[in-house]
Amino acid sequence: SQKIEQNSEALNIQEGKTATLTCNYTNYSPAYLQWYRQDPGRGPVFLLLIRENEKEKRKERLKVTFDTTLKQSLFHITASQPADSATYLCALTSGGSYIPTFGRGTSLIVHP
Amino acid sequence: DAGVIQSPRHEVTEMGQEVTLRCKPISGHNSLFWYRQTMMRGLELLIYFNNNVPIDDSGMPEDRFSAKMPNASFSTLKIQPSEPRDSAVYFCASSPGSELGGQPQHFGDGTRLSIL
Repeated sequence: SQKIEQNSEALNIQEGKTATLTCNYTNYSPAYLQWYRQDPGRGPVFLLLIRENEKEKRKERLKVTFDTTLKQSLFHITASQPADSATYLCALTSGGSYIPTFGRGTSLIVHP
Repeated sequence: DAGVIQSPRHEVTEMGQEVTLRCKPISGHNSLFWYRQTMMRGLELLIYFNNNVPIDDSGMPEDRFSAKMPNASFSTLKIQPSEPRDSAVYFCASSPGSELGGQPQHFGDGTRLSIL
């Protein structure tokens, strides 16, 4: 069955360091992969989208990579700040579909 | 710009009662999604509408759940009768829907539902 895996353990890092979150998938051939941020008591907020034919996408301090051979996406936040503390979810969509499937998310805690 | 608006933000009711959750999508978006989020199961799709028509309702748990979209600016999710296991946060999301899979979803802030 299709599975999306994100680390269930919180990632704790020091302010200023680069945070790297992982999204692995099995039995899936996504055409699109998205990353969202979710704060407590709020809905997910879209951050970045990367297509299967793209290796890397950047937006300000954020960088996403997409390796369809490894079946993995990495999400990087450079120069992390305490305000980056949140849960980050990846979402995969197959070609020909409008409907993404979300991972469970990984909590990021940036310590001052 | 107004985002996706959901109401109520919180709902506490007793088992067996009818619950109605409401959603106003972003104007101009023609895709609408209802999700349920729990600690155990994460974010699960319940139903997807495109141009006000239900396209995929395979995630609706059972006949107690129903969803409607009478027009482009309003959707409801109804649970009747409600059960304690329905307790969760329910999210509505909309997207432009102009590119298959390539459109970001815009979420409301959800309705936190507690069934006693």
